[in-house]
Amino acid sequence: NAGVMQNPRHLVRRRGQEARLRCSPMKGHSHVYWYRQLPEEGLKFMVYLQKENIIDESGMPKERFSAEFPKEGPSILRIQQVVRGDSAAYFCASSSNSRAGNEKLFFGSGTQLSVL
Amino acid sequence: TQLLEQSPQFLSIQEGENLTVYCNSSSVFSSLQWYRQEPGEGPVLLVTVVTGGEVKKLKRLTFQFGDARKDSSLHITAAQPGDTGLYLCAGARRMNRDDKIIFGKGTRLHILP
Repeated sequence: NAGVMQNPRHLVRRRGQEARLRCSPMKGHSHVYWYRQLPEEGLKFMVYLQKENIIDESGMPKERFSAEFPKEGPSILRIQQVVRGDSAAYFCASSSNSRAGNEKLFFGSGTQLSVL
Repeated sequence: TQLLEQSPQFLSIQEGENLTVYCNSSSVFSSLQWYRQEPGEGPVLLVTVVTGGEVKKLKRLTFQFGDARKDSSLHITAAQPGDTGLYLCAGARRMNRDDKIIFGKGTRLHILP
């Protein structure tokens, strides 16, 4: 009964490199949310996806950031040309349907991105 | 603009004491959830409240949703060191067929043995 799996747990990148963060939702879940968390802060919404569709990307910067959730395989959050300000914990959560407010939202353990 | 304001930001109390933390907004939510997060881990759902005025109990934790569905409180009775953690409230905004889940900044709770 695997939960939400995120990898890598820790990712170190130099400024200008690309970061790819992966999230495998719980079995049977087709809805994925990505959040970003800075130290001593709550979670900031980035993007909400269903299989092959981006439903809401209002929290994601327009440049350098992209997300996908293909028909097969994990959801990917991609950050191009990383800068120090991208350093944060990135969490993925999944739910079984679109009514995540009434259903349980399951979180992964996060990817800690450090940009040198 | 922070849609959900949590207070206090930090709280450190002795084991055995009671405490209440708050989650306030000027917006109406279709539901409100409370999560607890420990260092290095993702948040774990504690409870979901849906109806205005609803009260839910989880052992020593009591959750209340405001009548207008804009605010919520979490009350802990006889706090234990195991209650230490970051408590996050999250509101669901209904957007057509989908819920957008928005989090507050959290209350960092430390129970001293």
